[in-house]
Amino acid sequence: AQTVTQSQPEMSVQEAETVTLSCTYDTSESNYYLFWYKQPPSRQMILVIRQEAYKQQNATENRFSVNFQKAAKSFSLKISDSQLGDTAMYFCAFMKQGGYNNNDMRFGAGTRLTVKP
Amino acid sequence: DAGITQSPRHKVTETGTPVTLRCHQTENHRYMYWYRQDPGHGLRLIHYSYGVKDTDKGEVSDGYSVSRSKTEDFLLTLESATSSQTSVYFCAISESWTSSTDTQYFGPGTRLTVL
Repeated sequence: AQTVTQSQPEMSVQEAETVTLSCTYDTSESNYYLFWYKQPPSRQMILVIRQEAYKQQNATENRFSVNFQKAAKSFSLKISDSQLGDTAMYFCAFMKQGGYNNNDMRFGAGTRLTVKP
Repeated sequence: DAGITQSPRHKVTETGTPVTLRCHQTENHRYMYWYRQDPGHGLRLIHYSYGVKDTDKGEVSDGYSVSRSKTEDFLLTLESATSSQTSVYFCAISESWTSSTDTQYFGPGTRLTVL
């Protein structure tokens, strides 16, 4: 079974600075997807970024980028120019690429990020 | 934002009573999912559906059943609620299992308290 580990339960960063959230996963699959979701106090789950395992290029979305190390099974999220609105719980998630009945997603326990003014 | 609604948004019930949570989507997506979120566990999959009347178990399915009689609705039922089922429940949808669209979008969540 796939497992996802986020080793940092809580982190904080000063506004405008850069922060990196860590995520490691365990799988024997070759083809899969990795995601970072953000959950602000509103509790809504918001997709931040996704990465296909077959792509060597790291995904980026504006101030958010990932460092995907397939051999090391590591998938970290970097937030540049942190903003107060980035304060949220961040979840790393794994989903193997499979058939029509084989795409459940596994989540890490989350990292609570606080951006300080 | 994906068109996903959940009802009710909050519910308090007593041990032993049946509870049904509803997820409704307007995106015509094939796949629908129910997760529960608990501190220290992230989100865990309860059941999912890959089409009308096609459902399967997830990681934590014991004590839950689901039904999907039409594309837009996915119901989660706790036949006899227990205190261990106090949680926040999220519905999610995805378009298909093909590589270009394998992303799940989440509803706003339902907070369920079982006393």
